[in-house]
Order: sequence, then C-alpha cells, then structure tokens
Amino acid sequence: RKEVEQDPGPFNVPEGATVAFNCTYSNSASQSFFWYRQDCRKEPKLLMSVYSSGNEDGRFTAQLNRASQYISLLIRDSKLSDSATYLCVVISSGSARQLTFGSGTQLTVLP
Amino acid sequence: ETGVTQTPRHLVMGMTNKKSLKCEQHLGHNAMYWYKQSAKKPLELMFVYNFKEQTENNSVPSRFSPECPNSSHLFLHLHTLQPEDSALYLCASSQGTSGFEQFFGPGTRLTVL
Repeated sequence: RKEVEQDPGPFNVPEGATVAFNCTYSNSASQSFFWYRQDCRKEPKLLMSVYSSGNEDGRFTAQLNRASQYISLLIRDSKLSDSATYLCVVISSGSARQLTFGSGTQLTVLP
Repeated sequence: ETGVTQTPRHLVMGMTNKKSLKCEQHLGHNAMYWYKQSAKKPLELMFVYNFKEQTENNSVPSRFSPECPNSSHLFLHLHTLQPEDSALYLCASSQGTSGFEQFFGPGTRLTVL
C-alpha cells in the first residue's frame, strides 16, 4: 500500500457542481495534513491545512478522519478557475523527513 | 512572485555535462528543500536543509549533489545524469521543518539527452 494514495482522476465536472476528493494515508502516526493545489506547469501552492475538527475556507472544506486514515477536500459551487491538480500532503512525527505528497487528483471544471 | 526563485527555468544537458540549479528564497525561512517531480508520479523529496545543515538525503544518487551556503540559497549540482533524470526540479522553503507551510519556486524543467 502506498504511503499516501489519491484517486488520480481526472474529475470532469460542470461549473457550479460540488466535488469531493479523498486521500488515504497508511501511517497512523501521521500528524499534519495539507491540501496543495498545482496548476498546469506551475509549482504547488498551499490551499489549506487540515485540522482535526475540520475546517472551511469559503467554498472549500477539509476534513480529517483519523479512524479510517483519510482526509477529504470538498469544493462547492465549482468555478472554472478551480481546474488544477489537488495534492494531499501528510507529515508524520513532525519531521520533514516524513513529508509525503500524494500523486494528485486532476480536476477540470467545464463551462 | 519573488518569494522563491529558481534558475534556470529550463535546462537541456547531455549525459556528460555538469550543470547547477540555483534556488533563492526571500522569505527569511530557515529550511530549504529539493524535490523531483516526474510525469504521473508524486513529488519526491530529495534533500532537506535546516539552518544550512543537511538533515535529509532520501537515497538520492550521488550524481545529484546539493549545496547550501546559507539559509537563503540552495544549489543542486548535476553531473553524469541519465535520461530518466529528466523531470521538473522544485525548490521549496519553510520557516521550519515541523509541519510548516512550504513555499515552492517555479521549478527547473530539466531534460537530459
């Protein structure tokens, strides 16, 4: 089993749709979780951190399920500009050596 | 954006060449990283530097040699590369190495012929 696993997609959704991605992780000692966004031929940028209690930032909601070892990202009212690859990042033991990126989920929002 | 810069943006080199990638961060961070991103693969962490000291080398072949003269600059020296080393090389920095947000540079697209 991969340390961090994501459905690669692609997810093609119409504008205004709600879409959700999951990311599973294998190390139960994982401490910190993030969602990054990477546009085509650009560098990854932090979208949001994922807190144990779940957190929301506008149309984006991130949740953590420690029991099942996955994090999720929900995007409501999708915009064309949301088209990108979404990367989940898991950090274990508070050390950069255990920082692991998922391979990313590709989202295309269609007009 | 000028937070983390990388040069060159594109590089084509032969297998016998020696070249260097440069990364500079203007964010006052203490940690810097080199990543490799190949098509359809996750980002692979290569090296980590914290306060100029290398704290992680993820089994990277010796044909990749990092150098961190200070907390703001990071180099990746390349020699005798293979075609499979062709990838996007990303530099990142963060305030520390324990769960801090990483800021990425635009990357160097490397092609080894």
